[in-house]
Amino acid sequence: KNQVEQSPQSLIILEGKNCTLQCNYTVSPFSNLRWYKQDTGRGPVSLTIMTFSENTKSNGRYTATLDADTKQSSLHITASQLSDSASYICVVSAGNAGNMLTFGGGTRLMVKP
Amino acid sequence: SAVISQKPSRDICQRGTSLTIQCQVDSQVTMMFWYRQQPGQSLTLIATANQGSEATYESGFVIDKFPISRPNLTFSTLTVSNMSPEDSSIYLCSVALRGVEQFFGPGTRLTVL
Repeated sequence: KNQVEQSPQSLIILEGKNCTLQCNYTVSPFSNLRWYKQDTGRGPVSLTIMTFSENTKSNGRYTATLDADTKQSSLHITASQLSDSASYICVVSAGNAGNMLTFGGGTRLMVKP
Repeated sequence: SAVISQKPSRDICQRGTSLTIQCQVDSQVTMMFWYRQQPGQSLTLIATANQGSEATYESGFVIDKFPISRPNLTFSTLTVSNMSPEDSSIYLCSVALRGVEQFFGPGTRLTVL
């Protein structure tokens, strides 16, 4: 069964600090891994998409890594801002026909001043 | 990218009634998806709606409860029928572009009393 697990479930950090969110997956066959940011009351917005051959991708202060051997990904947020407070969802796409996305449970991040 | 709008953005409904949610995309897309996000949970795929064919429902979701229309390549509706409090969720429309990227609408927050 395809699964995506994220940790921690929730995290509180001070403004300006860095943090790293984790994602472990068992999805086969693997196609790509995405990180989304979901503000409260809004739809998810894509931060990064990584395929099998990519092991790091950045989007501003967000840097995602992918280790396809260990089936792990991380999202590192640098110099956090209050606006980073949101849920971060790891989504893995299976490489078969159709749109087989497996969603992680998300990490709820709160950045405090 | 794709710009997706949903109507209504939120609604409070009485038990036993039905609500139709509209999803409009700013470009023609083949595949549209409807998701449900229950409070504090991640997204669950309800169905895939392709223009010109019947929607494909995921396990646990049936057409009588969640009828879907897809009259053209930029529009879809999801109806939540005979609602109960357990249907209180955020309902999100999503589209896939270039077979990889997936974009989400802002969601419709439904509360059933």
